[in-house]
Amino acid sequence: EPEVTQTPSHQVTQMGQEVILRCVPISNHLYFYWYRQILGQKVEFLVSFYNNEISEKSEIFDDQFSVERPDGSNFTLKIRSTKLEDSAMYFCASSALTGNTGELFFGEGSRLTVL
Amino acid sequence: DAKTTQPNSMESNEEEPVHLPCNHSTISGTDYIHWYRQLPSQGPEYVIHGLTSNVNNRMASLAIAEDRKSSTLILHRATLRDAAVYYCIHTNTGNQFYFGTGTSLTVIP
Repeated sequence: EPEVTQTPSHQVTQMGQEVILRCVPISNHLYFYWYRQILGQKVEFLVSFYNNEISEKSEIFDDQFSVERPDGSNFTLKIRSTKLEDSAMYFCASSALTGNTGELFFGEGSRLTVL
Repeated sequence: DAKTTQPNSMESNEEEPVHLPCNHSTISGTDYIHWYRQLPSQGPEYVIHGLTSNVNNRMASLAIAEDRKSSTLILHRATLRDAAVYYCIHTNTGNQFYFGTGTSLTVIP
C-alpha cells in the first residue's frame, strides 16, 4: 500500500538553528500538507500546497516557515530559526483530491526537539 | 475554525459496537463530514467521510443526521486496535482541516 514517508523521524536542534523536515508524498497525489502536534495537544494545520504554491496557511505558519517541492517528489518544511515552542511532532500529508472531498494520507511524523 | 463537539472519552467492550457522536451545528451545505483517528504515537488516519447520505466502508459506518448538524461514527465490532483518538471534522475551505480534541476511545478486553 502506498504511504507517505517522512525524514528524519526525530531531530534535536539548538534554538536559532535552521531545520528542514522532509516528506515523500504518495506519487500521484497533487495536494500536500503540513500539520503539527505539540505534545499532549491537538493536531494543528500549518499549510497546504498545490500546483507548486501555497494554497492555504494558518496563523502559525509565519515568516519563519517555508515549504518547497524541490524536485517533484520531495515536499519540505523549513523552519528558519527554531524556537523552543517549535518543539512538536510534524506530520506531512498528501491527497489526490482537495481535502474537503478526498482522503488525506498522513506520514508517521517527524519529532522536532528544540533545546 | 469549523467547530465540532465530541465527548472527551468513551469506553467500549471488545467485540461490541461503538457509536461515537459528533455535533457540527455550524456546518454549511457544501462541507463534507470527515472522521480521522490517531492511534498512539502515530499520524492521523482516515476513517470515513460523507456529505449527506450514510456511508459504509471496511472500517466503519457514518450516520449523518437529516439536518446534517450531527453525525455518528459506528465501529461495528470494536477491537483493541481501535483504541485511539477519533476526530470529527468538517471544513468550510478546501484544505484546512481543523482537528479538535476528539474522543479518546478505550477498548476493554
